[in-house]
Amino acid sequence: KQEVTQIPAALSVPEGENLVLNCSFTDSAIYNLQWFRQDPGKGLTSLLLIQSSQREQTSGRLNASLDKSSGRSTLYIAASQPGDSATYLCAVSNQAGTALIFGKGTTLSVSS
Amino acid sequence: DTGVSQDPRHKITKRGQNVTFRCDPISEHNRLYWYRQTLGQGPEFLTYFQNEAQLEKSRLLSDRFSAERPKGSFSTLEIQRTEQGDSAMYLCATSRGTGDNQPQHFGDGTRLSIL
Repeated sequence: KQEVTQIPAALSVPEGENLVLNCSFTDSAIYNLQWFRQDPGKGLTSLLLIQSSQREQTSGRLNASLDKSSGRSTLYIAASQPGDSATYLCAVSNQAGTALIFGKGTTLSVSS
Repeated sequence: DTGVSQDPRHKITKRGQNVTFRCDPISEHNRLYWYRQTLGQGPEFLTYFQNEAQLEKSRLLSDRFSAERPKGSFSTLEIQRTEQGDSAMYLCATSRGTGDNQPQHFGDGTRLSIL
């Protein structure tokens, strides 16, 4: 059974810092991995999707990497801003078009 | 694209009542998913439609839960005889069916509170 773990559960940083969020999964036979952002009381916003054949994806200040063999992904946020404060969720899909399996998320707080 | 739309945003009801939620997908997204999220947890998968066909159901989806997607457009999720443990955020997500590596896009959810 696929399990997804995110460490740390919470993170506080001053504005301007670069930071890394970690995601690990137990079954390396994933189809793709997706990173989401969730603001309090809201739904999820898709940030990046990495296909199983890819090593990384970039969007603006965000860079996500994938090491399938070791069952790990990282989300790198450059030059953090207070507006980046949210919960970041990692999710994997084991087959095309099927359900996502989520971690519990990392709650990020960026202070000005 | 307009986003995934869910209605209502909040629902408060007494234990034992039936509730129904609606999800309107992004236009041309033929895959539709329902998830449930409780406080401090990631979303948990409930069920999945490809067009009007319900292709997968989680063991979390007890007999009190039923989902439909008539004509492959909007979807409804009904919970009968609600229980305290049903209190959660119910999230709908949709994705394109063409090409396998399509991201899922989520609505803002329906928050259900059982009194």
